[in-house]
Amino acid sequence: DVKVTQSSRYLVKRTGEKVFLECVQDMDHENMFWYRQDPGLGLRLIYFSYDVKMKEKGDIPEGYSVSREKKERFSLILESASTNQTSMYLCASSSTGTSRGEQFFGPGTRLTVL
Amino acid sequence: GENVEQHPSTLSVQEGDSAVIKCTYSDSASNYFPWYKQELGKRPQLIIDIRSNVGEKKDQRIAVTLNKTAKHFSLHITETQPEDSAVYFCAASDDQGAQKLVFGQGTRLTINP
Repeated sequence: DVKVTQSSRYLVKRTGEKVFLECVQDMDHENMFWYRQDPGLGLRLIYFSYDVKMKEKGDIPEGYSVSREKKERFSLILESASTNQTSMYLCASSSTGTSRGEQFFGPGTRLTVL
Repeated sequence: GENVEQHPSTLSVQEGDSAVIKCTYSDSASNYFPWYKQELGKRPQLIIDIRSNVGEKKDQRIAVTLNKTAKHFSLHITETQPEDSAVYFCAASDDQGAQKLVFGQGTRLTINP
C-alpha cells in the first residue's frame, strides 16, 4: 500500500519566517508533486520533480522553492512566508510504471501565516 | 498551458438519484483524465480515470464519458449513497514525462437522505 507522509498536519508561522514542508513516499516513485489547495480554486501545482535533483515549475511557483536530494523525499520551502501563503499544502507521488498517471496524496499540511 | 473548468461548484441530490459533474479542457494534447474524490478532512483519492482511446469507462456505480472533439468529460454517479458525499476533482494530463495534472476547481456533492 502506497504511503505518502507529510511532516506536519498543522503549522503556524510568522510573516518573513523560512518554512520547510517535507514529504516522504515509500513506494520508490519517480515523480513527486507539491500542490496548494484553496476553496474554489482546486489543486494548483507549485513544483514537481521527476527524478532526484530534478525539479520543474508548476503553475504557481512564485514565492516557493523545492529540494529533492533523495528519491523518497521532496521538500517545499517558503523562503519568506507571507500571509497569502496561508493554505492547505498537499504532496503527491506517482510512478512511471504500471500505475502511471495515478497520483497518491499525503494527508496535507494546513499552514497559517500570521 | 492546459486549463480545466469544472461545473457545478456545488451539487445536492436525493439519495438514490444520479449525479453528473462536467469538465472541459483546453489543450487538445491532453489524453489522460482522472477523477479524484476527497472526503472531508481526508486526502484526495483516485476513483476512476479514462484515456483518450476510449469514450466511456464504468466501475460499478460510477462512470466517466469523454468527448475529445468537444473537449469535455463527465463523471456520472448512479444510485447515490450518503458515502458519496465529498468534493470531486477532475483533471487532465498529456500523459508525458511526469504526467503532471491540471485540476478543475472541484464540486462539492451532498447526498440528502
